[in-house]
Amino acid sequence: EADIYQTPRYLVIGTGKKITLECSQTMGHDKMYWYQQDPGMELHLIHYSYGVNSTEKGDLSSESTVSRIRTEHFPLTLESARPSHTSQYLCASSEYTRSRGRNEQFFGPGTRLTVL
Amino acid sequence: GQQVMQIPQYQHVQEGEDFTTYCNSSTTLSNIQWYKQRPGGHPVFLIQLVKSGEVKKQKRLTFQFGEAKKNSSLHITATQTTDVGTYFCAGRGSGTYKYIFGTGTRLKVLA
Repeated sequence: EADIYQTPRYLVIGTGKKITLECSQTMGHDKMYWYQQDPGMELHLIHYSYGVNSTEKGDLSSESTVSRIRTEHFPLTLESARPSHTSQYLCASSEYTRSRGRNEQFFGPGTRLTVL
Repeated sequence: GQQVMQIPQYQHVQEGEDFTTYCNSSTTLSNIQWYKQRPGGHPVFLIQLVKSGEVKKQKRLTFQFGEAKKNSSLHITATQTTDVGTYFCAGRGSGTYKYIFGTGTRLKVLA
């Protein structure tokens, strides 16, 4: 079972502030993902990483940026928060396991962001 | 780009009734995963299907992957109140590790 952590769990912040959402996993998974999800709606992939120093943008255009300097850490940064960024941000990690024959994603608890 | 749609969007059933959600991709998939998200929670992996026409069962849940690998379904027999939540499919195309999540089906079970 993977352990994946996100901080903060809740964040209320004013427009124009710079914020960083933290995501860490302890299982050494090579792949990590950031999703944006509004309440009751689908998950939209905004960033993903195949490994250290590898990051790609997802299908949903986002003004956020990510970095992957260490395997276990995949922070997401918003340089200037706006009310349109209000949403829940979910981090996930995965790695293909031959014994299980699958690459399930393990999700963190999420960060609920409100920008005033 | 790749799109994944699910129907229905919502389903209310009486406890004991069956439930089915359908997932359709605009492109052929390498594999498909299913997740369950309880209200206020995060998605939890249920299963992965890889082969064309594959059928897998987990107790009261039956998962199918279409012959053309563009659609999938999840069927729950005799629903229970613990089945409440939103069920998402997530499809992966060829040559990529990213998954596109479906629009989800929210299930409510009335006791």
